[in-house]
Amino acid sequence: GQQLNQSPQSMFIQEGEDVSMNCTSSSIFNTWLWYKQDPGEGPVLLIALYKAGELTSNGRLTAQFGITRKDSFLNISASIPSDVGIYFCAGSNTGNQFYFGTGTSLTVIP
Amino acid sequence: EAGVAQSPRYKIIEKRQSVAFWCNPISGHATLYWYQQILGQGPKLLIQFQNNGVVDDSQLPKDRFSAERLKGVDSTLKIQPAKLEDSAVYLCASSLAGMAQYFGPGTRLLVL
Repeated sequence: GQQLNQSPQSMFIQEGEDVSMNCTSSSIFNTWLWYKQDPGEGPVLLIALYKAGELTSNGRLTAQFGITRKDSFLNISASIPSDVGIYFCAGSNTGNQFYFGTGTSLTVIP
Repeated sequence: EAGVAQSPRYKIIEKRQSVAFWCNPISGHATLYWYQQILGQGPKLLIQFQNNGVVDDSQLPKDRFSAERLKGVDSTLKIQPAKLEDSAVYLCASSLAGMAQYFGPGTRLLVL
């Protein structure tokens, strides 16, 4: 199946710092999704992107649909302890079947 | 609006036993997905339904896994017989056609 490369694999940051992570695919997508998963829970949708170049914010989170349509970026500003978790990207070129990245584990040090 | 419901939340069985998971999607969502998530990995699609029809089951191990969505709403996923490597979280998600998926809390399966 389709491979999504998500980086970094893990991050350890101080509270208040900004965070950046990205996801790349080997083929063109027309939809990118970003999820956060807490331990013992299902992934929670953070941001959905449906158009190349689109920049969408959700509170302190901002995600961008790359111009090449092969990548997407997620930024978290002024991180807080509750941002801890695993962040997954997911992409689709059909709007139906989504492929998931391997996740970025975020640890925020108070 | 109620989210995706799944039960049970946890299940422990011995290998070669059978197990079934249940999912109730968000009201009005025609598309339903079952994923398997192994520890440390992203979710992997097992099967996708559009209403009560199967859209994609190419990654479903059909010798032991089966799923149905008879009335186009609730769905069940069954494993028979279970193997040790089936230990994972089984996630159900639903969506409107072509739109973002919303996940349930998952069922954590441990096969001993």
